[in-house]
Amino acid sequence: DAGITQSPRYKITETGRQVTLMCHQTWSHSYMFWYRQDLGHGLRLIYYSAAADITDKGEVPDGYVVSRSKTENFPLTLESATRSQTSVYFCASSESWINQPQHFGDGTRLSIL
Amino acid sequence: KQEVTQIPAALSVPEGENLVLNCSFTDSAIYNLQWFRQDPGKGLTSLLLIQSSQREQTSGRLNASLDKSSGRSTLYIAASQPGDSATYLCAVRLEHSGNTPLVFGKGTRLSVIA
Repeated sequence: DAGITQSPRYKITETGRQVTLMCHQTWSHSYMFWYRQDLGHGLRLIYYSAAADITDKGEVPDGYVVSRSKTENFPLTLESATRSQTSVYFCASSESWINQPQHFGDGTRLSIL
Repeated sequence: KQEVTQIPAALSVPEGENLVLNCSFTDSAIYNLQWFRQDPGKGLTSLLLIQSSQREQTSGRLNASLDKSSGRSTLYIAASQPGDSATYLCAVRLEHSGNTPLVFGKGTRLSVIA
């Protein structure tokens, strides 16, 4: 089915570990985004990408790394996980930068112990 | 810094009632405003996107309006149903985005009681 899929849906890990969250979209959208959603803060942008090999920082990029070697994939890596990175992470994609809606995956619930 | 506020934070209504959700934003320099629905444990589903030049958009029982100059948008839901129960978020697309191209409100949690 076409759409945007995230994996894993749930992940528990320990502080200091590296963890990668995967995002795959089948629409060939140029733009992809990573958000985190926390109580009291709402949705905040971590990183975004305008095309393969083009990425840029969002509002809260510290502690995260992204890559985009292929248009359809946009993995997010926590290089050394901290408890403050416990959150629900959402990937989104959009056909254009301005006037098209963003479409979201179902999220990854990440717990860091 | 753009701030997006949604009031009320939670709302409970009986089935069949018409209702209005509110969204306000502090900076009118926006390209568009988008309304989303989020079900528990799920991602966001785009409902309506209103361009800054538009006044309203309609989809089925949903009607969204935008008053850019006053920094306000409303989402009108007609004849509410229990299946409308969800959290509704609005987000504004900034003209001068920097590292925050889309700024979200914290949502209104809607419960429609059968």
